[in-house]
Amino acid sequence: AQSVTQLGSHVSVSEGALVLLRCNYSSSVPPYLFWYVQYPNQGLQLLLKYTSAATLVKGINGFEAEFKKSETSFHLTKPSAHMSDAAEYFCAVTGNQFYFGTGTSLTVIP
Amino acid sequence: EPEVTQTPSHQVTQMGQEVILRCVPISNHLYFYWYRQILGQKVEFLVSFYNNEISEKSEIFDDQFSVERPDGSNFTLKIRSTKLEDSAMYFCASTDRVLDSPLHFGNGTRLTVT
Repeated sequence: AQSVTQLGSHVSVSEGALVLLRCNYSSSVPPYLFWYVQYPNQGLQLLLKYTSAATLVKGINGFEAEFKKSETSFHLTKPSAHMSDAAEYFCAVTGNQFYFGTGTSLTVIP
Repeated sequence: EPEVTQTPSHQVTQMGQEVILRCVPISNHLYFYWYRQILGQKVEFLVSFYNNEISEKSEIFDDQFSVERPDGSNFTLKIRSTKLEDSAMYFCASTDRVLDSPLHFGNGTRLTVT
């Protein structure tokens, strides 16, 4: 069975600081992993995906994530936070369907 | 870029009433999904649909729920007799293939049951 766990339901960073959102996965097969972002009153938008090519995946808006099999992790990072990054972030893994984590709310402090 | 569209954006209904939430998936996609998000909570899987039948459904998707693809473009979610706890955002999603292809989500329908 596939699942993801997001550590930290709320993360606050200062504008310009590093963003690190954590995701650990559990999968009985090589996983396909995704990060989505949800802005207020909007649907989920794909940030990036890992599909077994490069372990470091670059996405939109300056985000990237690194697949680490030894740690079963797929953490999302951005070197410098911007006010517009404030949103809810969801990690997901696929099996027969998409399994989402509980989400991490990112607050950016000016 | 093609997108998934959902109507209405907001639906208010009384408890016990039937509601139909509508979605138009991306035209060349074959797999369709409904997800639900209660305010402040996680995104929960309801049902997946492929080749005109349900592929998988969650425990949430009980007999009060049904899905239909009435024509070549629409994908609907019907809740037969709404309950207060059905109040949530309902997201439709589609993809062209499973596993390595991302889901494309609509902007959701906010259902409020009073």
